[in-house]
Amino acid sequence: EIVLTQSPDTLSLSPGEGATLSCRASQSVYDNNFGWYQQRLGQAPRLLIYHASSRATGIPDRFSGSGSGTVFTLTISRLEPEDFAVYYCHQYGSSPRTFGQGTKVELK
Amino acid sequence: EVQLVESGGDLVQPGGSLRLSCAASGFTFSDHSMNWVRQAPGQGLEWVSYITGSSAHIHYADSVKGRFTISRDNAKNSVYLQLNSLRAEDTAVYFCARGTGSGDWLMDYWGQGTLVTVSS
Repeated sequence: EIVLTQSPDTLSLSPGEGATLSCRASQSVYDNNFGWYQQRLGQAPRLLIYHASSRATGIPDRFSGSGSGTVFTLTISRLEPEDFAVYYCHQYGSSPRTFGQGTKVELK
Repeated sequence: EVQLVESGGDLVQPGGSLRLSCAASGFTFSDHSMNWVRQAPGQGLEWVSYITGSSAHIHYADSVKGRFTISRDNAKNSVYLQLNSLRAEDTAVYFCARGTGSGDWLMDYWGQGTLVTVSS
């Protein structure tokens, strides 16, 4: 099983600031089958990024993903009020599919 | 518009059973794999089960293998999860999530979830 470890656990920032979230995999993710989800409080997860760097439909270009192999990054260029949420990394290249423990982006 | 609506969550005693349903609309259901993912209270996401569009391939997480059964009815645009031998650690919100294609593992749309509570 591929274990995904996210850092930091919590990021305290203000609107307009940039955010960098990291995710490290315990082994290489097959074919870069790696994504990021956003989960706002009380809501379902929303797909932001797939295949490490492709934005999902309707996702603003302030969200970007990068990385390959075992190290991946989600960057939010300028935080909007609706971006304060929990973000999960996810690998779907090997079974079982696994998620990171989440990074909470909170209002400073 | 893609919509996924889960139902069937309830309070059940340890050792009990429950059947969850997920009704889909807004897309050609048989063209997409479907998944169940759960989230324990205040915790992260755990993938539970997967079924291809034709039901030819089914996968389970080790934590539920032998106790949970996924199935689908393409005529009713629905996917189901039968939960047997329930344990306290199965308490969670259960989400259904659509795969991007018939056999794809990437999940693009999720329902709002249904709460399963296992307690005496």
